[in-house]
Amino acid sequence: DTGVSQDPRHKITKRGQNVTFRCDPISEHNRLYWYRQTLGQGPEFLTYFQNEAQLEKSRLLSDRFSAERPKGSFSTLEIQRTEQGDSAMYLCASRQVISSYEQYFGPGTRLTVT
Amino acid sequence: GQNIDQPTEMTATEGAIVQINCTYQTSGFNGLFWYQQHAGEAPTFLSYNVLDGLEEKGRFSSFLSRSKGYSYLLLKELQMKDSASYLCAVKPDSWGKLQFGAGTQVVVTP
Repeated sequence: DTGVSQDPRHKITKRGQNVTFRCDPISEHNRLYWYRQTLGQGPEFLTYFQNEAQLEKSRLLSDRFSAERPKGSFSTLEIQRTEQGDSAMYLCASRQVISSYEQYFGPGTRLTVT
Repeated sequence: GQNIDQPTEMTATEGAIVQINCTYQTSGFNGLFWYQQHAGEAPTFLSYNVLDGLEEKGRFSSFLSRSKGYSYLLLKELQMKDSASYLCAVKPDSWGKLQFGAGTQVVVTP
């Protein structure tokens, strides 16, 4: 499968715990985006990378959130001291800037904070 | 503010046509996308418009009027598998991040 993959697909955690999600983009896609989606809403932009550089962060991304893409390939999104309001689907998307305008989405990680 | 508005839900019969409207007010405009999303799955790309006019792709067509801040997605010959949420998204700049509407849930009935 050469699509965008995300791990884990589901995560249940207790309030106050830290969680980390991983996204593996399509090979050679230099742009990688993170979005958050809650039930009945469209995805909301969180942050994006051009290769290993994080170029923009949304105001939604509080200081409890951090994202990395250390070698310009896979990316991780960490949430510290989770809150119930963090419960959502976290989507990753990737894009090859030169050849395509389309963002390809991964299946998402569904986070439930209890 | 920035708004992307689309109806919450539409119901149509198998074989019929449905038109989903999207109006937008964003800080910039560098293209408009339509995505399909089945429950619990990732959004999948349907269409992209950057110039005014109609783009046709099989049973799906998308229209854009930049002066009116308006787009629609036309689904023809509806099939049961078309029951899904349809997301309108604007790319406000060249960097590629998307601003999504809340989605329109299309229910196809036999």
